[in-house]
Amino acid sequence: QSVLTQPPSVSGAPGQRVTISCTGSSSNIGVGYDVHWYQQLPGTAPKLLIYGNINRPSGVPDRFSGSKSGTSASLAITGLQAEDEADYYCQSYDSSLSGYVFGTGTKVTVL
Amino acid sequence: EVQLVESGGGLVKPGGSLRLSCAASGFTLTNAWMSWVRQAPGKGLEWVGRIKRKTDGGTTDYAAPVKGRFTISRDDSKNTLSLQMNSLKTEDTAVYYCIRNYGDAFDIWGQGTMVTVSS
Repeated sequence: QSVLTQPPSVSGAPGQRVTISCTGSSSNIGVGYDVHWYQQLPGTAPKLLIYGNINRPSGVPDRFSGSKSGTSASLAITGLQAEDEADYYCQSYDSSLSGYVFGTGTKVTVL
Repeated sequence: EVQLVESGGGLVKPGGSLRLSCAASGFTLTNAWMSWVRQAPGKGLEWVGRIKRKTDGGTTDYAAPVKGRFTISRDDSKNTLSLQMNSLKTEDTAVYYCIRNYGDAFDIWGQGTMVTVSS
């Protein structure tokens, strides 16, 4: 089961700003492990969106930004576009499980 | 182009075995830590296991649900990664992704291969 908790869904109109939270614990995010974010478009493999809490791989629009504080992290999408409609997952490392962990996933809907 | 291509998925009965392969191109597998992640139909992502590069010991780590049943191996000379799955259970049904590690992140994903465990 997932040890990182995300809201099941968020929605917004085109052009709006939405945020997705990722809540962990003292054995993963809270102990200092980095958070990474992935975007999964329908029927495709996930794609790395944010790594090391705040960094964007080449080619990812600057509309996507990440942050981390305490035992939580957030992904913000500004200027929401129809093509952003997808599932989003956070990911970190957990020292208690000695392995990588994913968030529960959030479906973003563009109204 | 940097690419990972999985193969070997299919239908297998509970208790059976299956071996997945992942062919890497556009980069040298020798230098990479590699992982497998799976996604059950309609569900979220679940990390399966990881293998370090040989210069870091080449050791493997696995998620609790597959430990003792799954084995990850690598053939750097062929730029190939493998996942041997034994004692398969219905709950192992999923799309399996081969992935390149970028530190603790996953930067390159294959297209995935479907494994169905059913009688």
